[in-house]
Amino acid sequence: AQTVTQSQPEMSVQEAETVTLSCTYDTSESNYYLFWYKQPPSRQMILVIRQEAYKQQNATENRFSVNFQKAAKSFSLKISDSQLGDTAMYFCAQEANNDMRFGAGTRLTVKP
Amino acid sequence: NAGVTQTPKFRVLKTGQSMTLLCAQDMNHEYMYWYRQDPGMGLRLIHYSVGEGTTAKGEVPDGYNVSRLKKQNFLLGLESAAPSQTSVYFCASSSLLGGNSNIQYFGAGTRLSVL
Repeated sequence: AQTVTQSQPEMSVQEAETVTLSCTYDTSESNYYLFWYKQPPSRQMILVIRQEAYKQQNATENRFSVNFQKAAKSFSLKISDSQLGDTAMYFCAQEANNDMRFGAGTRLTVKP
Repeated sequence: NAGVTQTPKFRVLKTGQSMTLLCAQDMNHEYMYWYRQDPGMGLRLIHYSVGEGTTAKGEVPDGYNVSRLKKQNFLLGLESAAPSQTSVYFCASSSLLGGNSNIQYFGAGTRLSVL
C-alpha cells in the first residue's frame, strides 16, 4: 500500500525568507507521480507543483521547487521569497494507477 | 470556465437519511474522483471512475455508492448516513492524455454534517 508522511504538522517563516516542507512516501510502484497541493482557508485544493518519478530533474514553478530523492523516497518542497499569500495547509501526495494518497498536511504560516 | 463544480456546498443530515452529492466538470476529463477530508488528515479516496459507466473502489469506500452515467458527472450517494460520515467531501477530475495528465483538479468541497 502507498503511504505518505509529512512529519511537520506546523511551520512558520518570515516574509521574504525561504522555507522547506518535508515529505516521505512509500510505494512498490515503479511508475508514479508526486504532487504538492496548497489548501488556503477557502478550502480550495490548488496544485503547487508536480514531479514525474521517471524524471531525475527536480520540478520548479516560479518560487516553488522540489528536492526529489527517489532512492530515499523523499519529496520536499522549497518555497523561496515567502509571501503572506503562501499561508495555507500544504499537502504532499503520491499517485499511481489512479490511486492518490495524501499526507496529513503541514500548516504553514508566513509572518510579516 | 467553471472547472469542477460540486453541489450542494453545505448539508446537514439526520442519521439514517440518504443524500446524493453531485460533481460536474466541463473540462472533458476522463477520470473523476471522490475524496473525504477529516480534521488533521489528508484527503482519502472513496471511489473513482476512469470513464462513463465505470467505477472503482478507493481507500475508504464503505457506506458510499457512486455512479457515472455521463462523462461530465460523477455522483456520490449515502444510502443511510452515519455520524462517522461527517466530513468535507471533494470531487476531482483529471485527463488521461496531454501535458497535464495525472493532475487532479478539485471542486470547492461539500461540508456534510450527520447528526
